Amino acid sequence: AQSVTQLDSQVPVFEEAPVELRCNYSSSVSVYLFWYVQYPNQGLQLLLKYLSGSTLVKGINGFEAEFNKSQTSFHLRKPSVHISDTAEYFCAVIQRQGGADGLTFGKGTHLIIQP
Amino acid sequence: DAGVIQSPRHEVTEMGQEVTLRCKLISGHNSLFWYRQTMMRGLELLIYFNNNVPIDDSGMPEDRFSAKMPNASFSTLKIQPSEPRDSAVYFCASSFGRNQPQHFGDGTRLSIL
Repeated sequence: AQSVTQLDSQVPVFEEAPVELRCNYSSSVSVYLFWYVQYPNQGLQLLLKYLSGSTLVKGINGFEAEFNKSQTSFHLRKPSVHISDTAEYFCAVIQRQGGADGLTFGKGTHLIIQP
Repeated sequence: DAGVIQSPRHEVTEMGQEVTLRCKLISGHNSLFWYRQTMMRGLELLIYFNNNVPIDDSGMPEDRFSAKMPNASFSTLKIQPSEPRDSAVYFCASSFGRNQPQHFGDGTRLSIL
């Protein structure tokens, strides 16, 4: 079984400041990693994914994340945030082979952008 | 290209009533997931279908919940009888393969009074 920990339930940041949303996972086997964003009253949208290859992955809206296998982390970053980035962000994993189907999600981090 | 379509967007009903949530997959996708989102428990996988066949329903809370996929593009999640603790946002997601990125619908906000 795998689990995902998002340590920060809320992260307030001033507009145009950088932000990092933390994600750590636990799994006995290799996983694929995802970040999703959820705007109010909407479903989840894929921000970026790590399947293989370069550990630094770039996604939509200027976000990027770095896979660190030794630290079992997949932190999400953006160098300069905008008011429109206010949303809930979910980190998720799925086993590469076998295991439970479907994504295992973290509890989410609410990113609050202050003007 | 249409995304995953869920209906209704909102449902308010009394305890004991039957509730049916609907989901239309993205054309060409063969994997379908139902999730439930609550403040207390976050996002939970309820059931997963692959090629119309239920593969893992271990997340379905109890026998009051059932899901079907009558064809390759459509699924229903039924709760009968409904209870107040079933109140949540229910999401449907589809993908092409189990470990490919999942595309989510906008969800159904269910309130059981």
